Amino acid sequence: DSGVTQTPKHLITATGQRVTLRCSPRSGDLSVYWYQQSLDQGLQFLIQYYNGEERAKGNILERFSAQQFPDLHSELNLSSLELGDSALYFCASSVGTGSGSYNSPLHFGNGTRLTVT
Amino acid sequence: DQQVKQNSPSLSVQEGRISILNCDYTNSMFDYFLWYKKYPAEGPTFLISISSIKDKNEDGRFTVFLNKSAKHLSLHIVPSQPGDSAVYFCAGIQGAQKLVFGQGTRLTINP
Repeated sequence: DSGVTQTPKHLITATGQRVTLRCSPRSGDLSVYWYQQSLDQGLQFLIQYYNGEERAKGNILERFSAQQFPDLHSELNLSSLELGDSALYFCASSVGTGSGSYNSPLHFGNGTRLTVT
Repeated sequence: DQQVKQNSPSLSVQEGRISILNCDYTNSMFDYFLWYKKYPAEGPTFLISISSIKDKNEDGRFTVFLNKSAKHLSLHIVPSQPGDSAVYFCAGIQGAQKLVFGQGTRLTINP
């Protein structure tokens, strides 16, 4: 158990809809990261928050947004969903601001599988 | 721009033998390389890492080798066990920037 909790585990929705994915980081971790894993693809970095503020941005679409709340949990909002948004979405956390070094690796949740029909 | 590549989508190895997973990268500025292991329905878990100034790091049955001139790293698992069957991701990191992952290699250990 990594200590990172993601809800829901599965989500099925239709094109054009909007969904919210939730993540609670490990106790004590201040950074939250969101990754997307599409079929046969590696983990694509979307966005990072550190202690409530956006820290780094990756290949995140404009239709997607995220935030980190004062209690450090984070939400990833996906809107105007398209079929191609179907993927596994992982949240990860780490103690510091970096993306996880050898002594502070990322701890991943079990992911949310999003299916857009 | 695929900075980290794992060109073998899958690998099958007999139990007790050596498993060798390969990874190539293009970004010569990576400071560290990490390997993550992922079981079905679970998130990736950190396995082992290596600094760019090292050429080898060993942890029990797992050894990672880095060849900077070839921009290549490999993960050796000896001896391979059924519980090692999983998807393995290599990743590079530069400074405090984001981890860049490869596509993953599915390792299957056959009894």
